Amino acid sequence: DIQMTQSPSSLSASVGDRVTITCRSSQSISNYLNWYQQKAGKAPKLLIYAASSLQSGVPSRFSGSGSGTDFTLTISSLQPEDFASYYCQQSYSTPLTFGGGTKVEIK
Amino acid sequence: DVQLVESGGGLVQPGGSLRLSCAASGFPFNRYWMHWVRQDPGKGLVWVSRINGDGISTNYADAVKGRFTISRDNAKNTLYLQMNSLRVEDTAVYYCARDLVGLRSTSCFDPWGQGTLVTVSS
Repeated sequence: DIQMTQSPSSLSASVGDRVTITCRSSQSISNYLNWYQQKAGKAPKLLIYAASSLQSGVPSRFSGSGSGTDFTLTISSLQPEDFASYYCQQSYSTPLTFGGGTKVEIK
Repeated sequence: DVQLVESGGGLVQPGGSLRLSCAASGFPFNRYWMHWVRQDPGKGLVWVSRINGDGISTNYADAVKGRFTISRDNAKNTLYLQMNSLRVEDTAVYYCARDLVGLRSTSCFDPWGQGTLVTVSS
């Protein structure tokens, strides 16, 4: 199974900050990497697919990069509605696996 | 609008069975791979199973293989998860999710249903 490791597991940031979350896979997954946002009590929402493609309707302050084993989700200017948990997920092979999550909290 | 609505969750004793349903609308259901993903209370996301558009091809996580069965009724636009031999560790919110793109599996989940809680406890 491909293991996905996210860091940090949590972070505190202020509105307007630039936030970066990293995800590392235990083997190369090319660009088969997706990012999701989950707010408390809600279902996850797709933000980025294929490592860097922005899902329709997602604000352009979200961006993704990387390939192989190292990936990054960046929020260029954190907004109040961005405080949530974020998960990476590999879609390279089954079993499909997620990172442990990063909780973004208000500083 | 694309909509996925899960039902069938509840409290069940260890060793018991439960069938979850996911009613889909707003898209050509038979063209999409569908998935079940679960989330332990307060914890991360775990993929459970997937099924292709015609219901012929399925895959499972090792933790549920042999106990859970995914299926679909394309005439009813409904996805199912039959869960047998339930264990305490199967306690979770279960989400159904559609594959991002029709006709082939991207294994990228969009959108998701609202989830249904399954509690396995004596």
